[in-house]
Amino acid sequence: ETGVTQTPRHLVMGMTNKKSLKCEQHLGHNAMYWYKQSAKKPLELMFVYNFKEQTENNSVPSRFSPECPNSSHLFLHLHTLQPEDSALYLCASSQDKFGTYEQYFGPGTRLTVT
Amino acid sequence: SQKIEQNSEALNIQEGKTATLTCNYTNYSPAYLQWYRQDPGRGPVFLLLIRENEKEKRKERLKVTFDTTLKQSLFHITASQPADSATYLCAHASGYSTLTFGKGTMLLVSP
Repeated sequence: ETGVTQTPRHLVMGMTNKKSLKCEQHLGHNAMYWYKQSAKKPLELMFVYNFKEQTENNSVPSRFSPECPNSSHLFLHLHTLQPEDSALYLCASSQDKFGTYEQYFGPGTRLTVT
Repeated sequence: SQKIEQNSEALNIQEGKTATLTCNYTNYSPAYLQWYRQDPGRGPVFLLLIRENEKEKRKERLKVTFDTTLKQSLFHITASQPADSATYLCAHASGYSTLTFGKGTMLLVSP
């Protein structure tokens, strides 16, 4: 185990549903991330939080809404998704947001939008 | 902008041989290069980090080199085993940026 947990592990949702992904880290880290990984594509950074403040939003559509209530928890709220949003969503954490620190990833949530 | 490139073709090698994976970057030298392993359907796992001013890093059977002249990092697995089969990701960052990941190279080690 990496110290980063994600729930649910699998999620199937219709295009009109609202759901949330949850991430929790037990490592005492200050930075947390959401990534999207589609088949045959590199990891796409979606959001970065450092000390609970959002520091990066890489042009992510507004149907994805992150929330970071404290340094240990990160949520990704989903609504009105499209089939092309089906992917593996990965949460990660690191001591700080800069590249000098390695990232610890959760197991991911496999999302299917029907 | 910085681009990082990994060989998209899978690397097939025989057990016991040394696997060598390549990560090339195009512009300025990144301050940090990191290597991760990813198994299907799972999150990446950190392996090694090398800094711009370091030539080489080792960890057990793993070795990473950083050549700023060639703009390249090489990742070696010696005495490879079938359990080493996975996708290996290279990631780079400057001093004040977050990591950017490459597409990864799949390694297949056959018995």
